[in-house]
Amino acid sequence: GQNIDQPTEMTATEGAIVQINCTYQTSGFNGLFWYQQHAGEAPTFLSYNVLDGLEEKGRFSSFLSRSKGYSYLLLKELQMKDSASYLCAVRALVEGTASKLTFGTGTRLQVTL
Amino acid sequence: DSGVTQTPKHLITATGQRVTLRCSPRSGDLSVYWYQQSLDQGLQFLIQYYNGEERAKGNILERFSAQQFPDLHSELNLSSLELGDSALYFCASSHQGQEQYFGPGTRLTVT
Repeated sequence: GQNIDQPTEMTATEGAIVQINCTYQTSGFNGLFWYQQHAGEAPTFLSYNVLDGLEEKGRFSSFLSRSKGYSYLLLKELQMKDSASYLCAVRALVEGTASKLTFGTGTRLQVTL
Repeated sequence: DSGVTQTPKHLITATGQRVTLRCSPRSGDLSVYWYQQSLDQGLQFLIQYYNGEERAKGNILERFSAQQFPDLHSELNLSSLELGDSALYFCASSHQGQEQYFGPGTRLTVT
């Protein structure tokens, strides 16, 4: 099975930087995704890591260490609209070439003035 | 707008009933995934179809079934509904197994 851990809630100030951590345990690892989800809305894709290192995309960056089963999402220059849940999701091979995406329970980020 | 469409947006029904949720993937995407999201739980993977064939199965109850049609749209059938089935049901699609794009969801309320 898979186990994904991320903090339940975080609070940060507008304009600041926040790092949301995710640790996972899985077999057949085949990539890690970060999604943003506003309450009652669909998750939207933010980033994807399959190799170790940092992927940067504007104000958002994501880091992966496969040997440590660890990833983080870094959000810079926080804006009020960044208040949302951030979901860490791990893809793993299940059978042959089929894979399954398992989501963590999400980190609810509140950005304050 | 992700390009994935889902109908209906809201559904209210009684216990014991059966409903069908519909999803149309993004143009060109062959894979369709169904997820359930309850208030107290994260996104739970239910099932995946690829080009009409079942590809992977998650925590899908026997009362639930799905299929993908030749035009690639998919339907999720939920039967003998219970109060605990009340949730947001999301469909997602992907191209070549890369990132998944989610539809707006169907909010199911079982009374």
